[in-house]
Amino acid sequence: AQKITQTQPGMFVQEKEAVTLDCTYDTSDQSYGLFWYKQPSSGEMIFLIYQGSYDEQNATEGRYSLNFQKARKSANLVISASQLGDSAMYFCAMREGLGGADGLTFGKGTHLIIQP
Amino acid sequence: KAGVTQTPRYLIKTRGQQVTLSCSPISGHRSVSWYQQTPGQGLQFLFEYFSETQRNKGNFPGRFSGRQFSNSRSEMNVSTLELGDSALYLCASSPLWGDEDTQYFGPGTRLTVL
Repeated sequence: AQKITQTQPGMFVQEKEAVTLDCTYDTSDQSYGLFWYKQPSSGEMIFLIYQGSYDEQNATEGRYSLNFQKARKSANLVISASQLGDSAMYFCAMREGLGGADGLTFGKGTHLIIQP
Repeated sequence: KAGVTQTPRYLIKTRGQQVTLSCSPISGHRSVSWYQQTPGQGLQFLFEYFSETQRNKGNFPGRFSGRQFSNSRSEMNVSTLELGDSALYLCASSPLWGDEDTQYFGPGTRLTVL
């Protein structure tokens, strides 16, 4: 079974609209971290936002927020007021356990295209 | 602070050759991880180094190896290259201080095997 599932391979959104990118995860660990990364066509992975499994409040970073629903194992990324520069691949990732040794498990990504 | 740097950015090799990729982490970061990204398999974890020790390795053959130096810089090596090794290789560094384990990625090395 996939550990990270992103069900939207591609999305077209009008500029200035809000966008929600879906991510569900599967783990039996009590301690884990959830991350969202943006990958423009240049290839570099840009860190956007982090949510720890014990964090009670949803994470926010500027125009990005993470809608964390632990019981549903859901960690959706919300981008408010989308901009043309938001067009990119977006990856949800999970780190299980503590200490970072196990690496990140990534979903297959969502290709977001912002239309003017 | 300077970000994660990777050299070279692009590389073309032929089957059977070997290749070494280099990664310099963000200053102060002690952990370096490597990932392979291909259109078919997506992003896959290769290995992670901390204090010059490999702590974990993904499901890759022994042709893939790496090391970390005392200054936290890391190299990965792929021997006997195969066509399927063509990929974007991403390096990421993490401070690993307390709960801070966010991984910050470099621009990647795009390897083409002919």
